[in-house]
Amino acid sequence: DQQVKQNSPSLSVQEGRISILNCDYTNSMFDYFLWYKKYPAEGPTFLISISSIKDKNEDGRFTVFLNKSAKHLSLHIVPSQPGDSAVYFCAGEGGSEKLVFGKGTKLTVNP
Amino acid sequence: KAGVTQTPRYLIKTRGQQVTLSCSPISGHRSVSWYQQTPGQGLQFLFEYFSETQRNKGNFPGRFSGRQFSNSRSEMNVSTLELGDSALYLCASRLGSGNTIYFGEGSWLTVV
Repeated sequence: DQQVKQNSPSLSVQEGRISILNCDYTNSMFDYFLWYKKYPAEGPTFLISISSIKDKNEDGRFTVFLNKSAKHLSLHIVPSQPGDSAVYFCAGEGGSEKLVFGKGTKLTVNP
Repeated sequence: KAGVTQTPRYLIKTRGQQVTLSCSPISGHRSVSWYQQTPGQGLQFLFEYFSETQRNKGNFPGRFSGRQFSNSRSEMNVSTLELGDSALYLCASRLGSGNTIYFGEGSWLTVV
């Protein structure tokens, strides 16, 4: 039962262009969504979050969009930089004090 | 402000042995949770502690256990290690419910 799905295992974009990472969920009880970035051999680093009562949250180059009716969220990175190359995980939280993660999307930003 | 600290960073154990991993949360954070990351299963929740009480537990066998001390530091233990327990074990802390969860660097466990 995969409650959070990241259907694209990898994504490759050119430096300066937009990166769009997608995430779908099935659990309607999630009231908070988070994006984490992870480099190999390191722990996940928090990027940005969004409450289920909002449809957009922006922080610098990162914007997360939430479409509750479609149970879909996306992370936009503009402009993309080579240092953004990492694995990105989306996660949902529904009041149970635990995060449910997708399997991640590996982003490669080419110079 | 120091982040979440996990020790040891790397360790190798033999099948059948047991292992204890340690986690020091961010100062002031009272909630500590543990996750396992494997290539096949991704990041999976193990358990969460708040004020020395386990509040939530993931779908793992009883060989996986944990505890939290009065200073919020936490340990997790895996007994009778199996090859499939080889993974990155991540500790995370948060101030309380609804606050952002911050992760440590992880402990890489290899079972041979």
